[in-house]
Formats: sequence, C-alpha cells, structure tokens
Amino acid sequence: AQTVTQSQPEMSVQEAETVTLSCTYDTSESNYYLFWYKQPPSRQMILVIRQEAYKQQNATENRFSVNFQKAAKSFSLKISDSQLGDTAMYFCAFMNLSGGGADGLTFGKGTHLIIQP
Amino acid sequence: DVKVTQSSRYLVKRTGEKVFLECVQDMDHENMFWYRQDPGLGLRLIYFSYDVKMKEKGDIPEGYSVSREKKERFSLILESASTNQTSMYLCASSLAQLTSYEQYFGPGTRLTVT
Repeated sequence: AQTVTQSQPEMSVQEAETVTLSCTYDTSESNYYLFWYKQPPSRQMILVIRQEAYKQQNATENRFSVNFQKAAKSFSLKISDSQLGDTAMYFCAFMNLSGGGADGLTFGKGTHLIIQP
Repeated sequence: DVKVTQSSRYLVKRTGEKVFLECVQDMDHENMFWYRQDPGLGLRLIYFSYDVKMKEKGDIPEGYSVSREKKERFSLILESASTNQTSMYLCASSLAQLTSYEQYFGPGTRLTVT
C-alpha cells in the first residue's frame, strides 16, 4: 500500500507571487504516476499536472511545474505568478500502474491555497 | 469534452434508508470509481470497476455496494444509511488503454444522513 502526505493544510500568498505546495509519498512500487488535482469552490476536480515516475524531466504546464525527486519520494507543485483563480484545494495523488491504471488514486489530505488580492 | 454527471448535487436521507448515488459518463471509459471526500481526510476510494459487471473493493468499502450493469453507468448503494456516511461523494472515470491515466471527475454529491 502507498501513502501520500501533504504537510501544509493551508497556505496564503499575495497575487502574482510564487508558491510551492509540498507532497511526499511512500511506496515500494517502481512504476507509477503522480498527479496534482485542483478543487475550486465549485467542487469540480480538475487535473493540474501529471508526472510519470520513469521520466526524470519535471513536468510543466504553463504557470504550473513540479519538482519530482524520485529518490526522496517528493513531488512538489510550484505555481508561478499566482492568480485569484488559483484559490482552491490542491490534492496530490498517486497511481500504482501495476493494475494498469484501473486501481484508483491514493490522495493526500489536501492543501487549501488562498490567493490574496 | 469528457462529461461525468452525478444524479444529485445535494441529498438528504434518514438513517436506515437505502440510498442510490448514480454516475454516468459519456466518453466510453472502461474504468469507473467512487470516492468519498471528508475534510482533513482527502479523498478515499470506496469501490472501482474496470468493466461491466466487474467491481473491486477500494480502501473503505464497508457499508457500501456498487452496481455496473452498463458501461456508462456506475451506481453506489448505501444499503442502510448511517450518520457516519454523511460526506461528499465523487465519481470518476478513465480510459483503460495505455494513456495518461487521467481520471475525470463528476461534480460530487453532498449526502447528509440525519
């Protein structure tokens, strides 16, 4: 079994600042994916970014990037030039690929990010 | 766009009632999932299904059952609702083929059991 830990229950930054959300995980598997999902007040879960464990290069999606440290089992999310619309719950999630991706995600407890105007 | 819909946004039921939560996806996804979301606990997997009539227990299946009679529909059943099942329930779906493994989520059903 795997576990995902998000150690920051809540963070608050000013608009336009850069913020980093931390995530660590524990697994004995070697083949897996990691995800960051965003859940705004509308409750709709939206994929922010994904990282394949076998890829050394860190994933980026516009203002969002990750710092994936496989040996340290760390997967942090950096949001650059933060915007008011980034205010949301952010969940780090792990997927073990031994089941072909059908086994579901293991989520962290979430970080509530507040962007202040 | 992939669309996952859930039958209700809000639901209030009494203790002991049988409750059905319905989820429908329109993208011919093989995999479907039910999660429960509670403050401070994140999302936890209740059941999942990788094919019609197939189901697998997730991390917290106690008190729940599921049904998947058609590929696009995945139902979560609370046989006898209890107050500790008051929660947000999220359905998700994904493709089975080698892909990005992205799960697409519905808008959630907030269930209150009184």
